[in-house]
Formats: sequence, C-alpha cells, structure tokens
Amino acid sequence: EAGVTQFPSHSVIEKGQTVTLRCDPISGHDNLYWYRRVMGKEIKFLLHFVKESKQDESGMPNNRFLAERTGGTYSTLKVQPAELEDSGVYFCASSARQDLTGELFFGEGSRLTVL
Amino acid sequence: AQKVTQAQTEISVVEKEDVTLDCVYETRDTTYYLFWYKQPPSGELVFLIRRNSFDEQNEISGRYSWNFQKSTSSFNFTITASQVVDSAVYFCALSEASSGNQFYFGTGTSLTVIP
Repeated sequence: EAGVTQFPSHSVIEKGQTVTLRCDPISGHDNLYWYRRVMGKEIKFLLHFVKESKQDESGMPNNRFLAERTGGTYSTLKVQPAELEDSGVYFCASSARQDLTGELFFGEGSRLTVL
Repeated sequence: AQKVTQAQTEISVVEKEDVTLDCVYETRDTTYYLFWYKQPPSGELVFLIRRNSFDEQNEISGRYSWNFQKSTSSFNFTITASQVVDSAVYFCALSEASSGNQFYFGTGTSLTVIP
C-alpha cells in the first residue's frame, strides 16, 4: 500500500512567485494534515482536513496560504505570493482516525526555498 | 511558550554506545499523548511510539526504550547499543485533548552514530 506522497520534493522559487504543493494521503484516510518546519525550528501545525472540510486551520500563517482538498482525496497548499520566510519543509500527514489515538503517517515533505 | 522542548540539538555517539534523547513537555490537560518520530535522511517522519497520559509504564521495543515520567514532564528515549542506521533526526511530540488534533513537535535532535 502506498504511503503519503508529496510533490514536488523540492521547489526553488523567487520571492513574489506562486508555488503549489500537493499531497496524496493514504487511500481511505479521511484526515489530512499539513505541517511546516522552518529551518532548525519545530515542526508546526498548519491545518487539518476531514474529508474535504477544513476542521482546523488555526496554524495557517496568513492569507497568502491557501489549502484545498476538493473531493476529499488529495490536497494542495498554495503559497501566493511567496515570501522569504516561507522557506522550509512542508509535511503532509494522514490518518484514518480523527481522535488523538490515531497514528499519523507522514510523507517525505516538500522543501520550499524562496530566494 | 514551547510545549515540547528537546534541548539536545545534535548528539554524536560511537557505534554500540547507548544514547538518551531528552524530551520535556508542558501541558495543563490531564488527557494527552506523547509521541516519538524518526526522520531518516529520506525525509519522511516515521512513527516510533505513542503513550497516553494515563499510562506511565516504561516501554521497551528491541534496542529502543522510553521513560515517561509525569513528575518531571519528561518522555525520554534511549537507544541501546546504537547502530549507524539509527542516525536520524528524532522528534518528540505532544497532542492534547483541548487542542483538537494538533501535534506540538519539539525542534528535533539530530543523532549521528559513528562507525
């Protein structure tokens, strides 16, 4: 069974440009999460989808970030326009259970470099 | 304030040595979960263990062991007889009943096992 897959693995863009990151969760997992790690810091929560609905988007830094999960399958995270401080590794995770006992399965992350 | 503190940024040990990775957490919830994840060079976060706040029993899994102490708010991870394949970044994480499904991660400890 395929794990959580993320694309691209690495993206280098200039300040002001747009980038879209994609996450394919494990098939059948209704819960999808986005996290971000800025270099050397902790991994921080961005948002949580249950199927196509945003359950919690309290971690989204600002309105330059837009996450979607149309149809409740894959998700995209768009950054527009990108700023230097957006550089980091964006992790996607999925789980079958919504409660705290569920294991989160993470992807390999998408590294974003904004120049 | 950071909810999960991993004070050790980088640790180097010689193969076959034992090593302990520290994790201190902060929460006011009585119901919470603690996790350890391993991030090998490939990038994905690999689940290692989950403990709930009502179970303070230490756990051993092969060369890995975990020491959960509520009195000191710590959840330390020990690798016995370390091997080169243990080289990775290790993250400790907390989830609280009051915070929905967010995980709070520490900044990670980079472990290098020298052959």
